[in-house]
Amino acid sequence: DGGITQSPKYLFRKEGQNVTLSCEQNLNHDAMYWYRQDPGQGLRLIYYSQIVNDFQKGDIAEGYSVSREKKESFPLTVTSAQKNPTAFYLCATLGAGKTEAFFGQGTRLTVV
Amino acid sequence: SQQGEEDPQALSIQEGENATMNCSYKTSINNLQWYRQNSGRGLVHLILIRSNEREKHSGRLRVTLDTSKKSSSLLITASRAADTASYFCATDEGGGNKLTFGTGTQLKVEL
Repeated sequence: DGGITQSPKYLFRKEGQNVTLSCEQNLNHDAMYWYRQDPGQGLRLIYYSQIVNDFQKGDIAEGYSVSREKKESFPLTVTSAQKNPTAFYLCATLGAGKTEAFFGQGTRLTVV
Repeated sequence: SQQGEEDPQALSIQEGENATMNCSYKTSINNLQWYRQNSGRGLVHLILIRSNEREKHSGRLRVTLDTSKKSSSLLITASRAADTASYFCATDEGGGNKLTFGTGTQLKVEL
């Protein structure tokens, strides 16, 4: 069963804590992306990776970090430096043909 | 900043009517894609149009692309209540792997 798995679905964080969101894929896609979506808003690109051990900042990378040690995995860490982390986070992959992005079901992060 | 800006931000129509959404973008592209998002879920790909194409159809969807104006439109014909969702355009900004999305149009189709 191919696809993208994001976990957890809901995540609560205390102020000052770092949290890591998981994104795993078995589609064998090289490119992976992290987006942030605020209520009623579009998707804003945080980080993306085109290949293992390489990644680029998106439009809103401050306060976030990523790693790409394996092709299948692209975890996102929301650090304490991110001042307003409450949002819906979406992970996506893009195949070699760049014709279609596939999305996970998202992680809703809430700061308490 | 957002690569794509869509309008209208929200659209409410009656079932059976057509819905048109527009997207404008800023940089050169190889292709433009449209996605649908049901509330609280991931996005689902609808249709792709390449920069050398002007119009494309898929079922009840019709997409146009005007690269001189850096704009695209998505037409959904004979809308159904099940079409209620948010719709986003996405571009491969600069023709590379940076996939950026527009601000989206929230479509509500009423019975």
